[in-house]
Amino acid sequence: QKEVEQNSGPLSVPEGAIASLNCTYSDRGSQSFFWYRQYSGKSPELIMSIYSNGDKEDGRFTAQLNKASQYVSLLIRDSQPSDSATYLCAVAARVASKIIFGSGTRLSIRP
Amino acid sequence: SQTIHQWPATLVQPVGSPLSLECTVEGTSNPNLYWYRQAAGRGLQLLFYSVGIGQISSEVPQNLSASRPQDRQFILSSKKLLLSDSGFYLCAWSLGGRDGKLFFGSGTQLSVL
Repeated sequence: QKEVEQNSGPLSVPEGAIASLNCTYSDRGSQSFFWYRQYSGKSPELIMSIYSNGDKEDGRFTAQLNKASQYVSLLIRDSQPSDSATYLCAVAARVASKIIFGSGTRLSIRP
Repeated sequence: SQTIHQWPATLVQPVGSPLSLECTVEGTSNPNLYWYRQAAGRGLQLLFYSVGIGQISSEVPQNLSASRPQDRQFILSSKKLLLSDSGFYLCAWSLGGRDGKLFFGSGTQLSVL
């Protein structure tokens, strides 16, 4: 079992709709959870972090964490063409300094 | 403000040649430092991380090594490159603790031919 799993996509969403990205992790002791966005050929950039169960909203982005189900999600409202990118889920493991990434989900926003 | 420098941006090396990639961080002290590798179209594979000078944790057995000779300097090395070492190498830093937010360098695209 992979430590952090994501659907590789591609996920195609019409402009203006909600994009929903999902991630599961295997280590129940994980403490911190992150979503990064990566454009082709570029470095990942942090868009959301979440540490407690529930929802966390920042602009058009909402991160959701369910530790009991070992599940993290990212919702992008009012999707824009500029949101087309690969979204990487990352988890800080029981050893907090060790940060593991999923394989990423490619998101495509169609006009 | 904190900045991270990683170089070179691109590198083409023959099989069997050595490798040295360097990363430095400015504007912070005692950061956690990381090396990741990304194969084309894939996610980030953690190679090494360091929580202090001389402290290196290795995640994947391979022909790569890492060193942290100074607080804000992290070096990735190989004595003999393999074709499978090709990829996008990313250095990153974080403040550590519960706040594990990573900040990445611009990456090195390594092609081993």
